Amino acid sequence: QVQLVESGGGVVQPGRSLRLSCAASGFTFSNYGMHWVRQAPGKGLEWVAIIWYDGSIEYYADSVRGRFTISRDNSKNTLYLQMNRLRVEDTGVYFCARPATRSHWNWFDPWGQGTLVTVSS
Amino acid sequence: DIQMTQSPSSLSASVGDRVTITCRASQGISPYLAWYQQKAGKVPKLLIYGTSTLQSGVPSRFSGSGSGTDFTLTISSLQPEDVATYYCQKYNSAPFTFGPGTKVDIK
Repeated sequence: QVQLVESGGGVVQPGRSLRLSCAASGFTFSNYGMHWVRQAPGKGLEWVAIIWYDGSIEYYADSVRGRFTISRDNSKNTLYLQMNRLRVEDTGVYFCARPATRSHWNWFDPWGQGTLVTVSS
Repeated sequence: DIQMTQSPSSLSASVGDRVTITCRASQGISPYLAWYQQKAGKVPKLLIYGTSTLQSGVPSRFSGSGSGTDFTLTISSLQPEDVATYYCQKYNSAPFTFGPGTKVDIK
């Protein structure tokens, strides 16, 4: 079955970097764009970034543009989020999510279980 | 960028009540509107896409409607298992903005 498994979360100091991974299985990863979504503790969902199926196009939320980079390795069926110059307000659970169909302009289904990032000194 | 708002931010209703949540976009986005349910500590779950199409397996007491900038999620008869936060989301263009959420609980 379709599965997304995030990893790489942890505790990091402000200004430092962290890389998240999302391992995909159960579908042809290279056919789909992929998203990152985050949720600060007790807050709502915030879309972070999308990468095209072939890695050719990326879009970012204003809050992370210039600090975060989304990438993928289709040979490893893995999505990444490189997070640099982390801020306290980047703390939260980070989910990867797939568009429901091969169109990039699609609702999100499925979602991974999330990985917690805590930015604190 | 298109902004998404939801109302109310929270509500409390009795079992069996009809519940309506409203989502408004700052520009027209029809029909690119989805609704998700998130229970405490859980992953968001897709309920409705394309404004009104019920995701497979979702109970028929959930329904969606709307057009242009104004959309509605309705629970026809609230059940205890519906306690959750509900989010709308636009997906016609980046950014794929979510509404701020509506928290639903049982009175």
